[in-house]
This record gives sequence, structure tokens and C-alpha cells, in this order.
Amino acid sequence: EVQLVQSGAEVKKPGESLKISCKGSGYSFTSYWIGWVRQMPGKGLEWMGIIYPGDSDIRYSPSFQGQVTISADKSISTAYLQWSSLKASDTAMYYCARVKVRNWFDPWGQGTLVTVSS
Amino acid sequence: QSVLTQPPSVSAAPGQKVTISCSGSSSNIGNNYVSWYQQLPGTAPKLLIYENNKRPSGIPDRFSGSKSGTSATLGITGLQTGDEADYYCETWDSSLSTYVFGTGTKVTVL
Repeated sequence: EVQLVQSGAEVKKPGESLKISCKGSGYSFTSYWIGWVRQMPGKGLEWMGIIYPGDSDIRYSPSFQGQVTISADKSISTAYLQWSSLKASDTAMYYCARVKVRNWFDPWGQGTLVTVSS
Repeated sequence: QSVLTQPPSVSAAPGQKVTISCSGSSSNIGNNYVSWYQQLPGTAPKLLIYENNKRPSGIPDRFSGSKSGTSATLGITGLQTGDEADYYCETWDSSLSTYVFGTGTKVTVL
């Protein structure tokens, strides 16, 4: 079974750093892109960026370029999303998903809730 | 604000049919595949339709997709209470070089 399992919920203060993870299993991790999607409370889905773990090629949405860093460690089939200085507006659910380029997102991880509050 | 426009909500009685529209442009829907996702309350999105009209294994044929020009449509027949969810269309935008999601549609079973 193809599966993506994300790290647990986080509560952070503004200005703190954070790295969340997404571990793939049941398929060749280096043969598909992994995408990250943000969902703010009560809002829709926003694409943040994608990474190809095979060679660490990364593409960012212009809306998120410079705001987050996407990376991957293919040796442990894990992709990451990180912030160097969180803001309250980063409070959201973050999903990873396996991506077929210019096609589908499937499956999705269970989501990681990030709460940023002083 | 998304470049793909969906109606905020649609509703129908159990057993009836609903359709959800997704309106875009030539840079996105007009020249790229459309996917549809179902997000049940409190859960992650799930792929329902890919490549405009194909269903992944395990998705019932009550769900269907179509595309014409710069618009796409998701249809749900034999509506069930378990279909109450948010539904999103998605495609690649060649001008923006980004994946774009629709604004989302909430389906309510009356």
C-alpha cells in the first residue's frame, strides 16, 4: 500500500523555527515528486512547492518562495518542510502528497497541524 | 484568490444527482489535465478523478468527471450522506507555472 505518514502536530511561538516531515512507503520514493499543500483554518487548498527526491530538484510556488524550505532525504524516504522564523499567519494544516507531474496528487499524508501563537 | 472558480455550495436529497463546475482559462484547464479531490470533514483530501475523467481504483462509478474547453465538471449520482464533503478541482497553470486548486465546493445532502 502506498502511504505517506506525516509528523505530529506542533505548537510554536512566533520567531521559532520548525521542520515537519513526510515519510513515504510502498513505492519507489525516488521515482515520484512530493508536493506540499497548505490549508489555513476554514479555507481552501494552496500549493506550496514540490521536490523530486531522486535528484532534489525543487520548485516553489511564487507565493511561498523564500518563506519556506523544502528538502528530502532519499535514504530514509522522507521529505521535509521547514520554516526559519514562524509567524502567526503560518498557522495551518500542512499536507504532503505524492505527485505525478502536471497530473494528480495521490495519496495524501494525514496532515500536520502547525499552530503559531505567543 | 484562486484562478479556478467553483460554486461555494451545492445540495440535493439522497439518491439525487449534483454537478460541480470548475471554471478556468486556456492557461490551466484548457490545456492541462484536471483532477478532483474529496475532503471529508477533518480528513485529508482524497483523489476522486484524474486526467479529466478517470477514476482511481476503489472510487465508485457514481463519481464522474468531464472537461470542455476551459471548464470541468464533477458529477455525483445516487447521492449519499457519506458524500457530504468539500470538493476541489486542480490543474497545472502553464502561465503561472504553478499547480492551482479551485475555490472548493461544499456538498450538502438534504
